[in-house]
Amino acid sequence: QKEVEQNSGPLSVPEGAIASLNCTYSDRGSQSFFWYRQYSGKSPELIMFIYSNGDKEDGRFTAQLNKASQYVSLLIRDSQPSDSATYLCAGNTNAGKSTFGDGTTLTVKP
Amino acid sequence: DAGVTQSPTHLIKTRGQQVTLRCSPKSGHDTVSWYQQALGQGPQFIFQYYEEEERQRGNFPDRFSGHQFPNYSSELNVNALLLGDSALYLCASSYGRGKDGYTFGSGTRLTVV
Repeated sequence: QKEVEQNSGPLSVPEGAIASLNCTYSDRGSQSFFWYRQYSGKSPELIMFIYSNGDKEDGRFTAQLNKASQYVSLLIRDSQPSDSATYLCAGNTNAGKSTFGDGTTLTVKP
Repeated sequence: DAGVTQSPTHLIKTRGQQVTLRCSPKSGHDTVSWYQQALGQGPQFIFQYYEEEERQRGNFPDRFSGHQFPNYSSELNVNALLLGDSALYLCASSYGRGKDGYTFGSGTRLTVV
């Protein structure tokens, strides 16, 4: 079992819809969680981080964390074609190591 | 404010050769982590450097080694290259243990032939 698992995708949504990306993790030592966006041929870019149970909102993005269920999600509201990318979920232990999932590729169709 | 700088951007090497990749962290960051990303996969952790020492290491053979300099810049060395070492090598910098996430460089695309 991988330490960080993401729904395999690919995920396709129409423009303006809500995109929902999910991630589970196995290491209960993970304290903080991150969502990175990676455009094709580019490096990952941090878009959200969360370390408390509950929701965290930043513009059109909402990250959700449930430590009891070892579950992290990212909601993208009013999806735009420019949101089309691979989204990587990562968990960080207190030691500072980030473990990444394999990503979910999102396509937003105009 | 300069971000993370990696060099070179692309590299082609022959099996058995050695390679050195370089990284300058974002201003204000003191920790450098190296990742290997194969096509279609997430970044795999190689190792992390802090205060010029290897703080953590992933499941990579000893052929992979690194160094951090007093100015926080870092090098990744790979000896005895294998075809399977072909990948995108990403450097990520952070402050301390990266509680607020990493900043990635644009990567070095290594091709081993």
